[in-house]
Amino acid sequence: KAGVTQTPRYLIKTRGQQVTLSCSPISGHRSVSWYQQTPGQGLQFLFEYFSETQRNKGNFPGRFSGRQFSNSRSEMNVSTLELGDSALYLCASSLGDRTSDTIYFGEGSWLTVV
Amino acid sequence: AQKVTQAQTEISVVEKEDVTLDCVYETRDTTYYLFWYKQPPSGELVFLIRRNSFDEQNEISGRYSWNFQKSTSSFNFTITASQVVDSAVYFCALNSGTSYGKLTFGQGTILTVHP
Repeated sequence: KAGVTQTPRYLIKTRGQQVTLSCSPISGHRSVSWYQQTPGQGLQFLFEYFSETQRNKGNFPGRFSGRQFSNSRSEMNVSTLELGDSALYLCASSLGDRTSDTIYFGEGSWLTVV
Repeated sequence: AQKVTQAQTEISVVEKEDVTLDCVYETRDTTYYLFWYKQPPSGELVFLIRRNSFDEQNEISGRYSWNFQKSTSSFNFTITASQVVDSAVYFCALNSGTSYGKLTFGQGTILTVHP
């Protein structure tokens, strides 16, 4: 059974640009959530989608957005990149029916903003 | 507000030693779920265990064991006879019973096992 797949794995962007990251959840999982990991702030929740609807949101500025498609695949977008957006972005998936569902993570996308 | 504290930033042990990683949590919810994840250098968070707030039974899985105590709001993780492959960052996380997909993580503990 394939795990959570994220693309691209590594990317370098220039300040002011935008970036789109993709995530394919585990087959059968309908919930996809995104996290940002930085050395200073640790792991922080960005947002969660279920059946194409954002169900939960963390405390990030509006430059961070996401969406989910009918096949449960998800994308997140960061516009007007800042140096501080350099981070590991982790996607996670779960069945999504219950809050008790186990959440499984992908390998992440390493974003460097220069 | 929820909070997870992993007071140990870094732990260094020699192979075959036992090591315990501490995790203390705070939540006002009566139903919640606790997790441990392992993060190797590749970046992926590998799921290790989930524990429900109403189930205080300790669990053992091979060399891994977990001690959940609601009275002290702790969910500690012990590795018996550590191995070099156990070297990684370990995260404790909390999910409330009302929040989908949202984990509150501790700061992580860097475990280094020396041969």
